[in-house]
Amino acid sequence: DIQMTQSPSSLSASVGDRVTVTCRASQGILNSLAWYQQKPGKAPKLLLYASSRLEGGVPSRFSGSGSGTDYTLTISSLQPEDFATYYCQQYYSSPFTFGPGTKVDIK
Amino acid sequence: QVLLQESGPGLVKPSQTLSLTCTVSGGSVSSSGYSWSWIRQLPGKGLEWIGFIYYNGGTYYNPSLSSRLTISADTSKNQFSLKLTSVTAADTAIYYCARRGSTITTGWFDPWGQGTLVTVSS
Repeated sequence: DIQMTQSPSSLSASVGDRVTVTCRASQGILNSLAWYQQKPGKAPKLLLYASSRLEGGVPSRFSGSGSGTDYTLTISSLQPEDFATYYCQQYYSSPFTFGPGTKVDIK
Repeated sequence: QVLLQESGPGLVKPSQTLSLTCTVSGGSVSSSGYSWSWIRQLPGKGLEWIGFIYYNGGTYYNPSLSSRLTISADTSKNQFSLKLTSVTAADTAIYYCARRGSTITTGWFDPWGQGTLVTVSS
């Protein structure tokens, strides 16, 4: 199984900050990576797929990059509605696995 | 706009079978190019992919659950279902249904249902 790790597990930031979340796979996944945002009591929402492709309707302040085993989600200017938990997911090989999440809260 | 809605009992006794249904609106479970998935979220923890059924009825399961798992579809009702046998407290989770692409290169989940909490307890 491909293990996914995320760092940090949590972070505190202010509105307007640039935020970066890192996801690492235990083996190369050839950009087969998605990012999700989950707010309390809600289902995860797709933000990006194929590592860097923005899902329709997602604000352009979200971006993704990476290759091989290491991937990054960046929020260029944190907005109040962005406080949430972020998960990465690899779909390169079964079983399709998620990272443990990064919680972004208000400083 | 495709919408998914989970339904089923919120409480299941240990050793019994957990059964959930996902009703799809705004799209068809038999549409080529998609598969229909189940994912669960253990309390306060991360997300675990359970399995999916392809538009043509083929299934693909997480090996960790495959011995207890059946996913099926009813195209006449535009629904797909999950059955997990011999449940224990470790199966207590929020269960989500979601749409997924049908190829390895389209393996993200979108959209998701709102989720339903299933508690395994006597």
